[in-house]
Amino acid sequence: GAGVSQSPSNKVTEKGKDVELRCDPISGHTALYWYRQSLGQGLEFLIYFQGNSAPDKSGLPSDRFSAERTGGSVSTLTIQRTQQEDSAVYLCASSLKGRAYNEQFFGPGTRLTVL
Amino acid sequence: DAKTTQPTSMDCAEGRAANLPCNHSTISGNEYVYWYRQIHSQGPQYIIHGLKNNETNEMASLIITEDRKSSTLILPHATLRDTAVYYCIVRPILQETSGSRLTFGEGTQLTVNP
Repeated sequence: GAGVSQSPSNKVTEKGKDVELRCDPISGHTALYWYRQSLGQGLEFLIYFQGNSAPDKSGLPSDRFSAERTGGSVSTLTIQRTQQEDSAVYLCASSLKGRAYNEQFFGPGTRLTVL
Repeated sequence: DAKTTQPTSMDCAEGRAANLPCNHSTISGNEYVYWYRQIHSQGPQYIIHGLKNNETNEMASLIITEDRKSSTLILPHATLRDTAVYYCIVRPILQETSGSRLTFGEGTQLTVNP
């Protein structure tokens, strides 16, 4: 079956530009997570969506980062006025529900490079 | 989340069992032990999880000590494709917010040699 997909797979942008990263979760999964992984670092939680509940934005590093999830399915992570330190792989994951016993399925990630 | 400690790197010969240890001495009774791995340039992949009992699936076995302060992931017949960073993670059973996010540490770089 179809897994989590993300687009684009690679994005190169100039400092100060805005970027949008897309995530298509597995159909029927109500929980969706965004993480990022900087070069040589572990994964860092960014934001979590569960159904129609208010998202948990506690991991967003600055107010330049925002995300939305439309219709409980597709999610878009937006980074405004990108900085070089935003360069990282941005990973999306979904799970059936947001429970600890629900495994998270990860997409292949979007590699963002800010010049 | 409870902190986990893993060796930075390990080597294993192809076809042999790979035993990856993890210490989680501060784990509480309401936390699962999860294992994920990340092959280079790919997203993390779920392997297995457990609470108290040992678990086995088609990928691996998870052995959790009786006091739950440590665990071992066993890949019974390692192949070259098992070369990856392996993450041991503890997650609360119930987490009202953030949906039980995964908190990744440094993990263990497993290299399977021919």
